[in-house]
Amino acid sequence: DAKTTQPPSMDCAEGRAANLPCNHSTISGNEYVYWYRQIHSQGPQYIIHGLKNNETNEMASLIITEDRKSSTLILPHATLRDTAVYYCIDVRGGKLIFGQGTELSVKP
Amino acid sequence: DAMVIQNPRYQVTQFGKPVTLSCSQTLNHNVMYWYQQKSSQAPKLLFHYYDKDFNNEADTPDNFQSRRPNTSFCFLDIRSPGLGDAAMYLCATSSGQGKDGYTFGSGTRLTVV
Repeated sequence: DAKTTQPPSMDCAEGRAANLPCNHSTISGNEYVYWYRQIHSQGPQYIIHGLKNNETNEMASLIITEDRKSSTLILPHATLRDTAVYYCIDVRGGKLIFGQGTELSVKP
Repeated sequence: DAMVIQNPRYQVTQFGKPVTLSCSQTLNHNVMYWYQQKSSQAPKLLFHYYDKDFNNEADTPDNFQSRRPNTSFCFLDIRSPGLGDAAMYLCATSSGQGKDGYTFGSGTRLTVV
């Protein structure tokens, strides 16, 4: 089952960076960490994924600790449209097994 | 654009009346997944197909079945829907390679009356 731990909720001021932490202490050496988000009543949307190195794309940055036991998703300039549930997912046997996620509220 | 399409977006069915939800993909991905998401909960994996190889999660009720007639289509059949089966049903695909992403459809919201 899900092996990731995230805070249930976080607030962020509009325009500021949102830093969402995730613990995945049981991740194995060849498993990727994926981040998805889900806006109310929509399907999960891919954000970013990584194995060992830090990653950046047009949506976010992913910082993975050297021991790979935790990671942080960074939304550099959060907007109101970034309000969503963010899932950090440890892929097991090719399957995305969701944990409970972090409900991020971006406030004006 | 290549995508995962779920129809219908909303489905209402009667208690005990069989219902089928459909998913199609234009990504030519090997793997297709079905998730159930109840209100305020995370998506829960029901089963997946790797090509034609069906893989059921251990706690998926027998009431839920699936068919994959070809690479592009996958169906979720609920044989006798109960009130507790009301949920969002999400379809997803992947290439089966660990480094690639997973693409989700917009989901079908099932109401049981």
